Amino acid sequence: DIVMTQSPDSLAVSLGERATITCKSSQSVLYSSNNKNYLAWYQVKPGQPPKLVISWASTRESGVPDRFSGSGSGTDFTLTISSLQAEDVAVYYCQQYYSTPCSFGQGTKLEI
Amino acid sequence: QEHLVQSGAEVKKPGSSAKVSCKASGATFNSYFISWVRQAPGQGLEWMGGIIPLFDTATYAQKFEGRVTITADKSTKIAYMELSSLRSDDTAVYYCARGPTDYYGSGSYSDVWGKGTTVTVSS
Repeated sequence: DIVMTQSPDSLAVSLGERATITCKSSQSVLYSSNNKNYLAWYQVKPGQPPKLVISWASTRESGVPDRFSGSGSGTDFTLTISSLQAEDVAVYYCQQYYSTPCSFGQGTKLEI
Repeated sequence: QEHLVQSGAEVKKPGSSAKVSCKASGATFNSYFISWVRQAPGQGLEWMGGIIPLFDTATYAQKFEGRVTITADKSTKIAYMELSSLRSDDTAVYYCARGPTDYYGSGSYSDVWGKGTTVTVSS
C-alpha cells in the first residue's frame, strides 16, 4: 500500500500571507503511460463533507479560487494558498489514487 | 448537478452490522467509481473501499477486508456499504463519494460527496 505523509501537521499563517503544505508518497504516483500524477487535495471544514480542491496534482477544481495551486511530481507534492483568507481555515488532506487503497495523508490543520 | 443522498444516522450495538446507502441523482452512476470514506471523531479521512457499478467488483482496504461489503444496484442507482462486527472505534461519519474512472489508475479521486452518515456504536 502507498503511504502518504503530510507536513506540517498544523500551520498558522497570517491573513494575506502564503500557506504551503507538502505531501510525500512512499512510491511514485506518476503513471509514465499518460504522464499524470494521481494526486488530489481536499479541504475539510467542521461538520462538512470533504471538498475537492485539486486533482491530477495541479488541476484546480471548478469554482476553487485561483489562490489555490498544486505542484509536484512523482513522490513530492505541494499545496499552496498564495494569500490566505479567513474562509481557508480548514484541514487539508492529500490523497493518492494511483492504486487502491486510495490512501490519504494524515491531514494538515491550517489556522490563522 | 450530481448529488449523493445518504441514509440517516444509526446507533448500533457492538457486534452488530450497519448498512449505509447512497443514492445518486445523475444519469451516469454506473460508470463512476463510488468510494466509501470514514472519519472518526477527531481523526483523519480513511478510505474503506470502492466499486464501479458497471463492473460490480468492489475493492477494499486491507484493514476492513472481511468486515466490509460494498455493493451497487445499477437499476436504482444506489450504492451500499455494510460494516459488520461493529466495535466502538467504528463510531464515525461514513461518506460515499463519486469520482471518474481512469484507464490506467485503479482508484479515483472524489469530486462529489454525500453529506455523511453518522454511525454510533455503543452498548
